[in-house]
Amino acid sequence: KAGVTQTPRYLIKTRGQQVTLSCSPISGHRSVSWYQQTPGQGLQFLFEYFSETQRNKGNFPGRFSGRQFSNSRSEMNVSTLELGDSALYLCASSWMQGTNGYTFGSGTRLTVV
Amino acid sequence: SQQGEEDPQALSIQEGENATMNCSYKTSINNLQWYRQNSGRGLVHLILIRSNEREKHSGRLRVTLDTSKKSSSLLITASRAADTASYFCATDANGNQFYFGTGTSLTVIP
Repeated sequence: KAGVTQTPRYLIKTRGQQVTLSCSPISGHRSVSWYQQTPGQGLQFLFEYFSETQRNKGNFPGRFSGRQFSNSRSEMNVSTLELGDSALYLCASSWMQGTNGYTFGSGTRLTVV
Repeated sequence: SQQGEEDPQALSIQEGENATMNCSYKTSINNLQWYRQNSGRGLVHLILIRSNEREKHSGRLRVTLDTSKKSSSLLITASRAADTASYFCATDANGNQFYFGTGTSLTVIP
């Protein structure tokens, strides 16, 4: 069974640009969560989607947005990139909102220059 | 914030020794999970313990949960070099938002 797939694996963007990251969950999983990981802040929750609905949102500015499609694939978008957005962005999927543990993707390493 | 805190921040042991790391959290939870992360990679789910459980085993892993102290511990027995990684606890209260701790960086020296 395929795992959680995140694309791209690496990305370099310039300040002010926007970026879209993609996550394909494990087949049958309906919950997708996104996390930002940085050395200074650790793992910070961005948002969680379940059946195309955003159920929870972390404490991030409106530049960070996401969506989930009917096939449970999810995208997150960051507009007007800042240097501080450089991070590893992790996607995690679960059958039912993480109650039995999440399966994480390998992440997208975003570098903003 | 409900975020967990792992202790110690870093741990270095010899292969074959046991490694113990602790997690403390702030509010009531439904369950607590432990994850492992190899450098720069995604997290791997290790074990989940529910709030009504006190101890759980999985292979060389033993997790305990003390809800009265709001703390959990992860014991890795007979450690191997391949156990070198960062270990995180994650807690939830409402089942759809998890808070990760700051992590313990474990180094197992061959």
